[in-house]
Order: sequence, then structure tokens, then C-alpha cells
Amino acid sequence: GAGVSQSPSNKVTEKGKDVELRCDPISGHTALYWYRQSLGQGLEFLIYFQGNSAPDKSGLPSDRFSAERTGGSVSTLTIQRTQQEDSAVYLCASSPRDGSNEKLFFGSGTQLSVL
Amino acid sequence: GENVEQHPSTLSVQEGDSAVIKCTYSDSASNYFPWYKQELGKRPQLIIDIRSNVGEKKDQRIAVTLNKTAKHFSLHITETQPEDSAVYFCAARNQAGTALIFGKGTTLSVSS
Repeated sequence: GAGVSQSPSNKVTEKGKDVELRCDPISGHTALYWYRQSLGQGLEFLIYFQGNSAPDKSGLPSDRFSAERTGGSVSTLTIQRTQQEDSAVYLCASSPRDGSNEKLFFGSGTQLSVL
Repeated sequence: GENVEQHPSTLSVQEGDSAVIKCTYSDSASNYFPWYKQELGKRPQLIIDIRSNVGEKKDQRIAVTLNKTAKHFSLHITETQPEDSAVYFCAARNQAGTALIFGKGTTLSVSS
């Protein structure tokens, strides 16, 4: 009965380095979202995966951001050539998306700090 | 794509008062509108949601109303308590019927 798991919980990197953030959704959940939350800001949509459909990448802020979801389960968000403005909490959420159940279950997030 | 505006950004009330948070959305085809509560240092959690086929939904002290014509929906909290203090986010499903788009949040402070 584990919830959504994200790793690492904290990541400090230098400007220009690449980082990978991992999300383990709840087993059986077909929908997976990535959001970014800057200090005191809202939940900025990044990317959405639903089953075997093509992901909705409309929220990715630049081509430095990419994500994949392997085997319909684990997802990795990659940020290349990190910039200071990438510093934020990256939240992953999964959802059953079955019929009327669209509740999002959030992970505890990865706090990314770019120095 | 979908755009969700939320106001006010901050709201301070006295314990026992009511609080109202309002959101507008841009895509008239949106049909699902949840509200999430995020307590300090914690992850967002769903507190109530409404679909476009109903105009109002209640759950104890919390209610949500939807006006499809005006494309706005509101969260109403009655008899507020200090534990209601948190950031509240509204959301709407976007044009593609896939991603959930959130507003920027309202920080509610309930003082006793």
C-alpha cells in the first residue's frame, strides 16, 4: 500500500549539469503527472502520461526538459544544462483515471537547487 | 490550452467566519473541477471535486459551486477552524481532456 514515491528528496547541482528525477507511481495507476512548484507559487503543469497514449508535453518550459515513463510505471524527468531558474520542488502525481475516479495522489516531491 | 485564474491570492479570516475562493477557467469544454489543499510542508490532497453536470456539491463544511455559463467555480468553507489554514488550489481539466491545470493558489489563514 505504498503511495507515490519520489527520489531523490533533495538534489543540489551546479548550473549547467544534467539531473534526473524519479517517480514511482501507485501500482495500477494509469495516469502520471509531473508538476513544478516554485517557492510560494502554484502547481505548474509539465507533462502528463496516460496509459500507452502519447504523453501531453505541452507544459514543458523548454527543450532542456524531457520525461519518459517505462513500462507504464516508473517515470524519469530529466533536466539538461540546469539553470538557476529551474530551482523548485518537482512533484509527481498518479491517478487511477478509471471512470469517475480522477483523484491525484502526490508524491512528497524533489527539492531541486541549482547553484 | 486551459488557463485557470484564482483569487484572492491570500485570505485571512477569524475562526468561525466563512471563506470563499473563486476561480475562472478559459476552456468551455472543461468538465472536471477539483480543489486541493496543501498544508505547510505537505503534499496537496484532494478535498472536493465537481463535474460539469452539477451546479453545487457539499461535504460537511465545504461546498463547491459551478457556473458553466460564466466559466467560474468557487470553494466555500463555513465555520472556519485554525486547521483549515493552508494553501488551496483549484484546477480544471484542459482542452485535450488530459492534464489537470491548477490555479496559483490561495493562502488561507484562520486566526483564533
